[in-house]
Amino acid sequence: GAVVSQHPSWVICKSGTSVKIECRSLDFQATTMFWYRQFPKQSLMLMATSNEGSKATYEQGVEKDKFLINHASLTLSTLTVTSAHPEDSSFYICSAREGGRGPGQPQHFGDGTRLSIL
Amino acid sequence: AQTVTQSQPEMSVQEAETVTLSCTYDTSESDYYLFWYKQPPSRQMILVIRQEAYKQQNATENRFSVNFQKAAKSFSLKISDSQLGDAAMYFCAYRTRNAGNMLTFGGGTRLMVKP
Repeated sequence: GAVVSQHPSWVICKSGTSVKIECRSLDFQATTMFWYRQFPKQSLMLMATSNEGSKATYEQGVEKDKFLINHASLTLSTLTVTSAHPEDSSFYICSAREGGRGPGQPQHFGDGTRLSIL
Repeated sequence: AQTVTQSQPEMSVQEAETVTLSCTYDTSESDYYLFWYKQPPSRQMILVIRQEAYKQQNATENRFSVNFQKAAKSFSLKISDSQLGDAAMYFCAYRTRNAGNMLTFGGGTRLMVKP
């Protein structure tokens, strides 16, 4: 089946550094990718929706300048957490939807990235 | 705005028994899909089952089936012959053609399976 590769799976870094997370659709073209954040024992919260070649649409309360999203190709989207601080520590999950805009188009998830800011 | 509610934070079932997880949603749309995702301790999101709103027949996938009540906006998941590997967080999710086709998730239900 369709595979979404998310890298890295776990990253630990110092406060103030920037961290880039990659999300790749390996065997399909993803016109739309989604970035979620998940706190322990909580549900997935949508951060932003990115469409290839256009600016990402951020959910209310998500800082655009803090979480930079780039969807430069049909198979790659990146999330950069800029000047990360301990409160940015969380589990980040990307999801990619196969081509087409229907609500039934399959949506596939990466394995997530555990981000720990010291 | 669409909302998805899972009223059971935790559920427990004996191995080989049947358990039902509840989900209700609120929408004014008519064209939408409903999903159940499983998230084991590995935290990978696994699609369990999906239901098209325009289909009256309840979806089934092996030991997993749903009870879709469109008028009541209810979408429960039944797991038959529960196995130890079914232990996980289960998320109900909703998606419509509008609003960017994003998935809206419920708060999740943690399912424990007792041997």
